Amino acid sequence: DTAVSQTPKYLVTQMGNDKSIKCEQNLGHDTMYWYKQDSKKFLKIMFSYNNKELIINETVPNRFSPKSPDKAHLNLHINSLELGDSAVYFCASSQHGLAGGNPPPGANVLTFGAGSRLTVL
Amino acid sequence: KNEVEQSPQNLTAQEGEFITINCSYSVGISALHWLQQHPGGGIVSLFMLSSGKKKHGRLIATINIQEKHSSLHITASHPRDSAVYICAVRSKYGGSQGNLIFGKGTKLSVKP
Repeated sequence: DTAVSQTPKYLVTQMGNDKSIKCEQNLGHDTMYWYKQDSKKFLKIMFSYNNKELIINETVPNRFSPKSPDKAHLNLHINSLELGDSAVYFCASSQHGLAGGNPPPGANVLTFGAGSRLTVL
Repeated sequence: KNEVEQSPQNLTAQEGEFITINCSYSVGISALHWLQQHPGGGIVSLFMLSSGKKKHGRLIATINIQEKHSSLHITASHPRDSAVYICAVRSKYGGSQGNLIFGKGTKLSVKP
């Protein structure tokens, strides 16, 4: 029973298209994240959601929009795809957010999805 | 220069060897994470620590907040430990508060 699941695992599409990547977690965690791993394998946070509220928003293009219908889901929508969007996108969740506070031990341990490899042609 | 630096970038070891991967950072942090990325791409969180030392099986993570340095040790290494190990810090200050800042990873290959 997968804790954090992403779909699709692979996505090949043309420039200019609009696509979505879905993420679901069954851990009861409060916070979910999207990370981008570029061709050099460098991970960078894109944004996170805590109880349907955006709490971190890195300077990503506004073509990327996170959508969270409920606490267990954080979907990533990408409009007008560009070649540079090709990457692996990882969804993750944690029991509490990473911004401030003094959470109990283990509360901020991240659980990652398996990743979604997006290729834009 | 990246705010989180890992060394070495690549490491090849023989099965059974003791392995150390280092992480240095330049920002104030509230916690540091060690992650493992398998050859298939999946990422697993190994440790989160803000002081001292943690141990899980053959893995040991230490952190020295004053020196802004952390190490990940693997005892009695095994080929199944082959992976990329990533250090990430949780920034304490400013606009990036709460963000994780990642190192570029250390690729470990353990030969039988």
